[in-house]
Amino acid sequence: DSGVTQTPKHLITATGQRVTLRCSPRSGDLSVYWYQQSLDQGLQFLIQYYNGEERAKGNILERFSAQQFPDLHSELNLSSLELGDSALYFCASSVQGRSTYGYTFGSGTRLTVV
Amino acid sequence: SQQGEEDPQALSIQEGENATMNCSYKTSINNLQWYRQNSGRGLVHLILIRSNEREKHSGRLRVTLDTSKKSSSLLITASRAADTASYFCATDADTDKLIFGTGTRLQVFP
Repeated sequence: DSGVTQTPKHLITATGQRVTLRCSPRSGDLSVYWYQQSLDQGLQFLIQYYNGEERAKGNILERFSAQQFPDLHSELNLSSLELGDSALYFCASSVQGRSTYGYTFGSGTRLTVV
Repeated sequence: SQQGEEDPQALSIQEGENATMNCSYKTSINNLQWYRQNSGRGLVHLILIRSNEREKHSGRLRVTLDTSKKSSSLLITASRAADTASYFCATDADTDKLIFGTGTRLQVFP
C-alpha cells in the first residue's frame, strides 16, 4: 500500500457518459497530480493541484476537469466520454508540491468506455 | 508530450545478468527520476539524481546522469525474475510536474 488511495479500481461506462475518479493523497502530502496512461500515448500529465489550488496543467481535455478539496482529496471528472478515453488514470502525491522527493502513485483506475 | 525517450523499448535477459536502460531528454532539468511499473499497477519511485550529480547507487541500482548529453542510464545488477517490469525515467523540466518517458519493458527469465 503506497498510501495514495484511488477509487474505483475499475470502471466500465458507455460513450457520452460522465464519471468521477477519486484520489486521497498520502498523509502529509499537499500536492496531487493526475496522469493518464494509454497504450498509444504513454503516461501523460493531466493536471496538478497544490493545497487546493491548480498549479499546473498538461494535456487535459476540456471535457475533463479536476479539483482538490479542503481535506486534500482530489476528484477528476471526465464527461462526454469517448472510446479513446479508455485508459489507466493515475493519481500521485508529493510533499509540498515539489518533485524533489519523488512522487507516490496510487494503483490507478482502469476506465473502459464501451 | 514526452520529455524522455527510453532505449531500448524492450529488453529480455536471464536471471543474474545485468540490465541497462537509457533515457534521453530534451531540456535542462533540476532532477531526473526512475520509476518501475509492474503490469497494470501504479508506478514506484526507485531513485532520484540531481542535475549536479553524476552517479548514484541504491542497492542493486546504479544511475548515471550526463547533463551535457541530456542522458541518463539505469543499471540493475544481478537481475531477478521479480525485476520484470516497465521502467520509466521522469524529468522536471519546468515547474514541479514530472514528465515521463516512453518506458523500457524488462523481462527477466528464471
